[in-house]
Amino acid sequence: GQQLNQSPQSMFIQEGEDVSMNCTSSSIFNTWLWYKQDPGEGPVLLIALYKAGELTSNGRLTAQFGITRKDSFLNISASIPSDVGIYFCAGQRGQGGSEKLVFGKGTKLTVNP
Amino acid sequence: EAGVAQSPRYKIIEKRQSVAFWCNPISGHATLYWYQQILGQGPKLLIQFQNNGVVDDSQLPKDRFSAERLKGVDSTLKIQPAKLEDSAVYLCASSFNSQNYGYTFGSGTRLTVV
Repeated sequence: GQQLNQSPQSMFIQEGEDVSMNCTSSSIFNTWLWYKQDPGEGPVLLIALYKAGELTSNGRLTAQFGITRKDSFLNISASIPSDVGIYFCAGQRGQGGSEKLVFGKGTKLTVNP
Repeated sequence: EAGVAQSPRYKIIEKRQSVAFWCNPISGHATLYWYQQILGQGPKLLIQFQNNGVVDDSQLPKDRFSAERLKGVDSTLKIQPAKLEDSAVYLCASSFNSQNYGYTFGSGTRLTVV
């Protein structure tokens, strides 16, 4: 099955630094979602994007829906230790909440205090 | 609001044995999903239910995996017989049809096949 191309695979940063990660696809998605997964837990939704070019923030997190509808970006500003985890992008063909999600392989973030 | 409940949290079985996982979605969520997450990968959809009907099971290995959602509420995913490559976390999720913020995952069941 299709998976999204997510990069980087892992990141090691110092507390206070900004982080950027991205996700690309060979086909169009009409909804892009970013999730965070902590060890032993299921993914938790951070940001949902529904329109090409859309830029949405959630606290220190900012995500953008690429104009081509084939990519998305997530930025985390002023990282803190609790940002540690695995971040996944996910795409949906439609724009409803009842469609399956296609996931990237994740970006593992480590924040050194 | 209670989240998506899954049990057991962990299961270790030998290959060729059978195993079953249970999921109780958020009350009122008509859509229920089972995802398989292999270590180092993102979740992959196995099956999607709308109420008690199957919407998508194209990636479910039907020779060994089965799932049901009786009465459109709880769901059970079964593997019989298990293979080593079935070792993964099995995540259940549910959604209220029109809202992505209502698309909620459970904590998963970690299956190890030895």
